[in-house]
Amino acid sequence: ETGVTQSPTHLIKTRGQQVTLRCSSQSGHNTVSWYQQALGQGPQFIFQYYREEENGRGNFPPRFSGLQFPNYSSELNVNALELDDSALYLCASSLLAPAVNTEAFFGQGTRLTVV
Amino acid sequence: AQSVTQLGSHVSVSEGALVLLRCNYSSSVPPYLFWYVQYPNQGLQLLLKYTTGATLVKGINGFEAEFKKSETSFHLTKPSAHMSDAAEYFCAVSDTGAGSYQLTFGKGTKLSVIP
Repeated sequence: ETGVTQSPTHLIKTRGQQVTLRCSSQSGHNTVSWYQQALGQGPQFIFQYYREEENGRGNFPPRFSGLQFPNYSSELNVNALELDDSALYLCASSLLAPAVNTEAFFGQGTRLTVV
Repeated sequence: AQSVTQLGSHVSVSEGALVLLRCNYSSSVPPYLFWYVQYPNQGLQLLLKYTTGATLVKGINGFEAEFKKSETSFHLTKPSAHMSDAAEYFCAVSDTGAGSYQLTFGKGTKLSVIP
């Protein structure tokens, strides 16, 4: 078991609404990354948080935003939902430190459906 | 910017046969390369990774991959397929350092194993 937990597991929202997805990272990890996996596609990098600061962002609009908390858990917020936002959202945690780098452990994801 | 191409969206092999899943990448800097497996309704599990050093990398469940810089390839192999290997496999590249794990994924290859 990787120790990365995401909630909720499934979610249905209406176009135009806002959604918040949550991720608890593995104990000892200080970095959280979020990915969007559309049906039949590979995951796409949304952004990464390291010690509560955004540490890189993929090609996603500003209505995708995030937070990382002092306990290194994280939220992904999506405003003004569009039908194309329907996807599996994956959270991955890892440890970034000088000379010590761990693999990224993924949670099981949140399946978001926008209707 | 980096990219990953996985040849073949669907590969079928007989149980006991060789598994070969192809991955080619592009990266402007020395890449870090990964293979992940995804079972239905689950997150991603790391099979193996190449960062530096030996170009033949051994992973879990009998899988291995060879980094070939001249061919910009990182193909995944397993000598003998097992029914439990049926899943979707993703190749990924990171050129922002082994620790940052800002991964670019391919579109995936679904592996079917025929009894």
